[in-house]
Amino acid sequence: DAGVIQSPRHEVTEMGQEVTLRCKPISGHDYLFWYRQTMMRGLELLIYFNNNVPIDDSGMPEDRFSAKMPNASFSTLKIQPSEPRDSAVYFCASSAGLAGYEQYFGPGTRLTVT
Amino acid sequence: GENVEQHPSTLSVQEGDSAVIKCTYSDSASNYFPWYKQELGKGPQLIIDIRSNVGEKKDQRIAVTLNKTAKHFSLHITETQPEDSAVYFCAASIDNYGQNFVFGPGTRLSVLP
Repeated sequence: DAGVIQSPRHEVTEMGQEVTLRCKPISGHDYLFWYRQTMMRGLELLIYFNNNVPIDDSGMPEDRFSAKMPNASFSTLKIQPSEPRDSAVYFCASSAGLAGYEQYFGPGTRLTVT
Repeated sequence: GENVEQHPSTLSVQEGDSAVIKCTYSDSASNYFPWYKQELGKGPQLIIDIRSNVGEKKDQRIAVTLNKTAKHFSLHITETQPEDSAVYFCAASIDNYGQNFVFGPGTRLSVLP
């Protein structure tokens, strides 16, 4: 398996623009997670899905952030409008089940908002 | 809510020596504690985990211990090798499904040849 695939790997955009990050989880995994990593706040869970349904979105920072999972093999994280403080590395991860099942992380998307 | 602290923030050891990283958590309801290793430019990777009903778990050169009473858990790496150099994160689950984690701030481990 190719593992979790994220695109783009790097994104540079101007403040106010819409940004869409994409993720393809490992085939057969029921859970999908979106994380944000910054020096100041560390690694934070934004939202996670089970069988394409959002289970917990309490980590989504504000209404500018939205996530969707239209099918089992694709998810998006959208930021509209983007702000410089959104600059971070965004990771997508997937797992096959509950506690004890490893979360497999993708390589991340480094977002820079100028 | 859950708060996870991690120490030290940086750690340098000589190749072959042992390394110990310690974490504390605040929510006594947390019941699953994974450790992740993150190499430069990559996503975190699970290296070992432990459930709250177990006090110790070992996998080759890596071991994790858990003290539920004191609410702390530790990662032990023996016979360190240069490829162990990375950032290590501890985490505690905050929901019944064991998938919603609060991560510690990380420890940058450098193994000097």
